[in-house]
Amino acid sequence: AQKVTQTQTSISVMEKTTVTMDCVYETQDSSYFLFWYKQTASGEIVFLIRQDSYKKENATVGHYSLNFQKPKSSIGLIITATQIEDSAVYFCAMREGVGDNSKLIWGLGTSLVVNP
Amino acid sequence: EAAVTQSPRNKVAVTGGKVTLSCNQTNNHNNMYWYRQDTGHGLRLIHYSYGAGSTEKGDIPDGYKASRPSQENFSLILELATPSQTSVYFCASGDWTTSQNTLYFGAGTRLSVL
Repeated sequence: AQKVTQTQTSISVMEKTTVTMDCVYETQDSSYFLFWYKQTASGEIVFLIRQDSYKKENATVGHYSLNFQKPKSSIGLIITATQIEDSAVYFCAMREGVGDNSKLIWGLGTSLVVNP
Repeated sequence: EAAVTQSPRNKVAVTGGKVTLSCNQTNNHNNMYWYRQDTGHGLRLIHYSYGAGSTEKGDIPDGYKASRPSQENFSLILELATPSQTSVYFCASGDWTTSQNTLYFGAGTRLSVL
């Protein structure tokens, strides 16, 4: 069965620094998709970034980037120049299934606190 | 921008009562999902749908029913609500066959069963 594990329960950093959140996954599929979502204090869940397994380049969106290490089944989220508003819970997820017959397998999340 | 709207945003129900949570999406997405979120458990999938008229059981379907009468609407029904169903419920929609390839979430419904 597919599985997503986030081992870091919480992280605290100073503003304007860089933080990396870890995520490892298990899958038997040769092609797969990995996602990171952010849940703000208000409860809103938003999509941040996606890595397609067949792409060698690490995905980057704004100040979010991914460290995709396929041999280690690892997909870390890197946030550079952190801001107070980056304080949130970050979820890693992996798509299971094909086409419309798909759902996401979720990690338990990492809480990030950015201190001024 | 993809839009998913949940109603109500907050609900207090009595044990044994019937509760219906509604979700509407204007994204024309085929797939819709209902999750519950509890501390320590992350997001757990209750029911999902591939399109109008279809519903599938997720990982924790017991005590819940779902209905997808149209492309836009997906409801979660608790026929006999219990205190253990007190939680925050999220609806999401997605289209895995296009470049979007992700889920869009509603704002959540906080349900308390007393």
